[in-house]
Formats: sequence, structure tokens, C-alpha cells
Amino acid sequence: DSGVTQTPKHLITATGQRVTLRCSPRSGDLSVYWYQQSLDQGLQFLIQYYNGEERAKGNILERFSAQQFPDLHSELNLSSLELGDSALYFCASSVNSVTDTQYFGPGTRLTVL
Amino acid sequence: DQQVKQNSPSLSVQEGRISILNCDYTNSMFDYFLWYKKYPAEGPTFLISISSIKDKNEDGRFTVFLNKSAKHLSLHIVPSQPGDSAVYFCAARSNTGNQFYFGTGTSLTVIP
Repeated sequence: DSGVTQTPKHLITATGQRVTLRCSPRSGDLSVYWYQQSLDQGLQFLIQYYNGEERAKGNILERFSAQQFPDLHSELNLSSLELGDSALYFCASSVNSVTDTQYFGPGTRLTVL
Repeated sequence: DQQVKQNSPSLSVQEGRISILNCDYTNSMFDYFLWYKKYPAEGPTFLISISSIKDKNEDGRFTVFLNKSAKHLSLHIVPSQPGDSAVYFCAARSNTGNQFYFGTGTSLTVIP
């Protein structure tokens, strides 16, 4: 158990819909990262938040957005969903910066029908 | 454009033998490399890392080798155990950036 929790574990929805994925980092970790893993793909970095502020952006679509709240939990919002958005979405946390070891949650499997 | 590549999707090894997992990268600005292990239905777990100022880092049965001139990274597991059966991801970070780039993973099966 990494100490990072993600909810829900599974999500099935239809094209055009909007969903929110939630992540609670390990106690004491200030940074939260979001990754997408599509079929046969590596983990694609989406975005990083540090203590409530956006720190780095990767290959995140404009239809996706994220935020980190004062209690340090984070949410990833995916809107206007397309079939190609079906993937595993992982959240990771670290103490401070990207040089610290990242601890991953178990992931949320999103299926868009 | 995949900057970190793991060209072997799968590998099978007998218990007790050496497992060698390979990773190639294209960006010469990468200066920090990691290996993660992932079991089904779990998130990746950090295994071992290496900085570009080194060419080898060892932690128990796990050793990571870095060949900067070849832009090649490898993970050696000796001796391999059935519990090592998992998907292994390599990742790299640029010294000019603040994100990690992951490979597509190699599924290792250790046969008892």
C-alpha cells in the first residue's frame, strides 16, 4: 500500500460526458502528479500540482483540467469524453519536487462507451 | 514521439537465473533514470534509480546500468524469483524539465 488513494476504481461512461477522478496523496506529500496509461502505452505525464499550484504540464488535453485543494487532495476533470480517453489514470505523490520518489495510487480505470 | 523505449514487451526467465530488462532513450538531456515495478491492479512501485553521473547503481538483487554514449539503460535482477514477475517501466527526466518520461513497459515472467 503506497498510501495514495484514488477513487473510483472503475468508471464507465458515455461519449460526451464529464467525469471527475479523485486522488488523496500520502500524508505529508505536497506534490501530486496525474498520468494516463492507454492500451500498450507507457505512462503519459499529464500535470503536476505542488501545494495547490500548478507546477508542470505535460500532454494534457484542453478538455482535461485538474486542481489541488487546500487539504492537498486533487481532482482530475475529464470533459467531452471520447472513446480514445479510455485508459488507466494514475495519481502519484511526492514530498516536494519531481526529484523525489513518486508513490503511485492503484489507478482509476475509465471506460468510455 | 516516444523518448523512452522498451523494445521488448515481454521476457521469460527461469527462477534463479539473471533477468535483464533494457531501455533506450533519445534525449541527451536526460539526467536521472528510474525503474518502476507494477503488479496487476496496483500502481507502479519505485524500484531503483540512477543519476547520469554514475554508470551503475546496486540495491540488493537489483542493479541498474547506464551507458550514456549509447543512451541505454538496463536493469539486472539476480537471482530472479517468481515474485519478480511483474511489468517493469523505465523512466527518465530531463535536466531542463520537471517531468518524467516513461517507457511502455516489459512484462517479466519468472518461471519456477
